[in-house]
Amino acid sequence: QKEVEQDPGPLSVPEGAIVSLNCTYSNSAFQYFMWYRQYSRKGPELLMYTYSSGNKEDGRFTAQVDKSSKYISLFIRDSQPSDSATYLCAMSSRGGNTDKLIFGTGTRLQVFP
Amino acid sequence: DGGITQSPKYLFRKEGQNVTLSCEQNLNHDAMYWYRQDPGQGLRLIYYSQIVNDFQKGDIAEGYSVSREKKESFPLTVTSAQKNPTAFYLCASSTGLRNQPQHFGDGTRLSIL
Repeated sequence: QKEVEQDPGPLSVPEGAIVSLNCTYSNSAFQYFMWYRQYSRKGPELLMYTYSSGNKEDGRFTAQVDKSSKYISLFIRDSQPSDSATYLCAMSSRGGNTDKLIFGTGTRLQVFP
Repeated sequence: DGGITQSPKYLFRKEGQNVTLSCEQNLNHDAMYWYRQDPGQGLRLIYYSQIVNDFQKGDIAEGYSVSREKKESFPLTVTSAQKNPTAFYLCASSTGLRNQPQHFGDGTRLSIL
């Protein structure tokens, strides 16, 4: 079983829809949770960074963490064609003297006009 | 603008050849990382460095080597011992402080001739 599970998609939605992207994890030592957006042939771009269980909002994006269920989500409101990308979740636990990031495989999102 | 620059964008390797991928950052970050990204797999850590003149193996270091002679630079050499080098290589950096997120360059795509 992988430490982090993420549905690869693709997820196809119409413009304006609310998008829900999810990851589950098995390691209760994970403390910090990140969402990255990756456009084709580009590097991942940090979108959201959260610590505790609960919600964090930034514009059209809301990150949700449920540590008791080992489940994190990213919601995108009023989705736009420019949101079409692969979304990677990542989690960190303290490994030695530095933080190791464990990544999901990514969910490909397509928003059509 | 501060950021991470990876070069070249595309690289081709012949059998038995070593190739070096460049990564430079002007974010004044202490920690730097190299990841490999393959289709259907999450990012996998190759090497990381928390400070100049020091680096540690990640999860898939075999067939790769690195150096960290300057704070700004963390080149990755893909040696002939790496039998399956075709992948998208991503360099990242962070402040090195606990639980700070990593920021990525735009990657180098390596292919075999």
